[in-house]
Amino acid sequence: EAGVTQFPSHSVIEKGQTVTLRCDPISGHDNLYWYRRVMGKEIKFLLHFVKESKQDESGMPNNRFLAERTGGTYSTLKVQPAELEDSGVYFCASSPTGGLGDTQYFGPGTRLTVL
Amino acid sequence: KNQVEQSPQSLIILEGKNCTLQCNYTVSPFSNLRWYKQDTGRGPVSLTIMTFSENTKSNGRYTATLDADTKQSSLHITASQLSDSASYICVVRGVMNYGGSQGNLIFGKGTKLSVKP
Repeated sequence: EAGVTQFPSHSVIEKGQTVTLRCDPISGHDNLYWYRRVMGKEIKFLLHFVKESKQDESGMPNNRFLAERTGGTYSTLKVQPAELEDSGVYFCASSPTGGLGDTQYFGPGTRLTVL
Repeated sequence: KNQVEQSPQSLIILEGKNCTLQCNYTVSPFSNLRWYKQDTGRGPVSLTIMTFSENTKSNGRYTATLDADTKQSSLHITASQLSDSASYICVVRGVMNYGGSQGNLIFGKGTKLSVKP
């Protein structure tokens, strides 16, 4: 069974540019999560999809970040325009049920560097 | 404020030795606590999950303990191997119900373990 995949693995862009990150969850997992780890900090929650609906987007830092999951399969996270403080590793995770004891399976992350 | 603190920040041990990593949390109300292993360039992988009523749980050479009264957990690694070199992250799930969410994961910064031959 394929795990969670993320593309690209690395992205280097200049301040003000736009970047789109993609996440393909494990097939059949309705729940998809985005997380971010900035340098020296802990991983932090961004948002949670259940199928194509945003269940919780309380962690999104500002309106420069837009997440979509059209069709309830893969998801994209767009940053527009990117700022220096957006640099970090963006992780995607998926889980089958979304319950409290549900295991979230993480992708390898996308390392974003904003110059 | 919900927080998860881990110690030590980093640790170097010799292959074959044991080690214990610590996690203190202030997340309340509490649902469960997981230890994740994150290899370089990979995403975190769950090692153990413990709920309020569980004191200890093992997964091979990994043994996690939980004291829900003092809000402390530990991860003990026995007979370390070179492949144990990784970051170990303590993750606590709170219980929140707003907008239908089941509660977010609160991550510690992790302990970077290096096992040397």
